[in-house]
Amino acid sequence: GESVGLHLPTLSVQEGDNSIINCAYSNSASDYFIWYKQESGKGPQFIIDIRSNMDKRQGQRVTVLLNKTVKHLSLQIAATQPGDSAVYFCAENSGTGFQKLVFGTGTRLLVSP
Amino acid sequence: EAGVVQSPRYKIIEKKQPVAFWCNPISGHNTLYWYRQNLGQGPELLIRYENEEAVDDSQLPKDRFSAERLKGVDSTLKIQPAELGDSAVYLCASRPGTGRDTQYFGPGTRLTVL
Repeated sequence: GESVGLHLPTLSVQEGDNSIINCAYSNSASDYFIWYKQESGKGPQFIIDIRSNMDKRQGQRVTVLLNKTVKHLSLQIAATQPGDSAVYFCAENSGTGFQKLVFGTGTRLLVSP
Repeated sequence: EAGVVQSPRYKIIEKKQPVAFWCNPISGHNTLYWYRQNLGQGPELLIRYENEEAVDDSQLPKDRFSAERLKGVDSTLKIQPAELGDSAVYLCASRPGTGRDTQYFGPGTRLTVL
């Protein structure tokens, strides 16, 4: 399939390692944040979300951390697997009363067996 | 449950030609979005529909782009005439309605303008 991006920041890890992907967002008024995973030739797939009144949320093998002071979001993936290889995007909701997502620059995660 | 369906998956046209993309959202989803994704970047919103109404088209280049969602279900995005800079992946997404429920994306249509 086609590549989502050729010059994205890249994080290379070994299978079984923990991965941390970082994102800086722009709007201090954003109240909702989402991490998406995008595999080659596919649309973005929801991973996990977090509201601005929280600073941490855990899912299955994934954790999202939100630091509103410095407008920073991170995605932690535990025990990274080859199937986790993809481009990861954070998105912030800039809408009030409706959802209008603004996507950040993606990070390519490469997991070696 | 079927996901968001888009067609065609790939389209190659010459500049100045028209092109149209079709999207069938998840059944029951009232909100529909069209995004454009350039290589190496995140998706950028073009237009948002609530049922059949285009409630946010501020980022749609209206001189050449148009969209419709006549019955509040399927949607079509059209470019006429296409320019070289329109080469991108066009993504459709849908969500049930208001609130914090997530957007579900289709696989996209990759457009190449020669």
